[in-house]
Amino acid sequence: GNSVTQMEGPVTLSEEAFLTINCTYTATGYPSLFWYVQYPGEGLQLLLKATKADDKGSNKGFEATYRKETTSFHLEKGSVQVSDSAVYFCALFDSGNTGKLIFGQGTTLQVKP
Amino acid sequence: DAGVIQSPRHEVTEMGQEVTLRCKPISGHDYLFWYRQTMMRGLELLIYFNNNVPIDDSGMPEDRFSAKMPNASFSTLKIQPSEPRDSAVYFCASTSGDIRNTIYFGEGSWLTVV
Repeated sequence: GNSVTQMEGPVTLSEEAFLTINCTYTATGYPSLFWYVQYPGEGLQLLLKATKADDKGSNKGFEATYRKETTSFHLEKGSVQVSDSAVYFCALFDSGNTGKLIFGQGTTLQVKP
Repeated sequence: DAGVIQSPRHEVTEMGQEVTLRCKPISGHDYLFWYRQTMMRGLELLIYFNNNVPIDDSGMPEDRFSAKMPNASFSTLKIQPSEPRDSAVYFCASTSGDIRNTIYFGEGSWLTVV
């Protein structure tokens, strides 16, 4: 079935470092892809999304490109801040299976000053 | 605008007791989702509704769990009887129109069953 796999965390970086969080997916057809972020004690918030191959989603300095050839949607940011410390979830919209949004297991990012 | 509102935010209950979690979706949204988050299993979709009708409840773990949506502005998730393994954060979320739209999450109900 459809699934999402993220790199395991925690990822610990110093402020202003470059961030990559890997995400790969397995799906039939052409799913929409999402990154959600969860700050401590809060619910998930949409960070960015891409709905077709080669689309690039971007928000708050974060970017991710929908790569169909490698079935990937890696999250990147050029210079992280302490305030970016959170859990990041990659997800795909499973249009072929009653419309479920399938989440990866989440990757914890810790940014140190 | 108010977001998705959940209550209670935190609940501690004894094993065997009934637990009711409540959710008010964003006004105008016609899809409502219940998710459960645990360290072991991550984020799991339990059930979702469209126009107050349950569409997919295949994620509901067992008969102890039930969910209702009596109207467009209110839903409940009930656990009876509760067990320690039900301890988790339960999120309600909603969206409108095309289900592929952005899903908005509430802040969660943190349940501890002792």
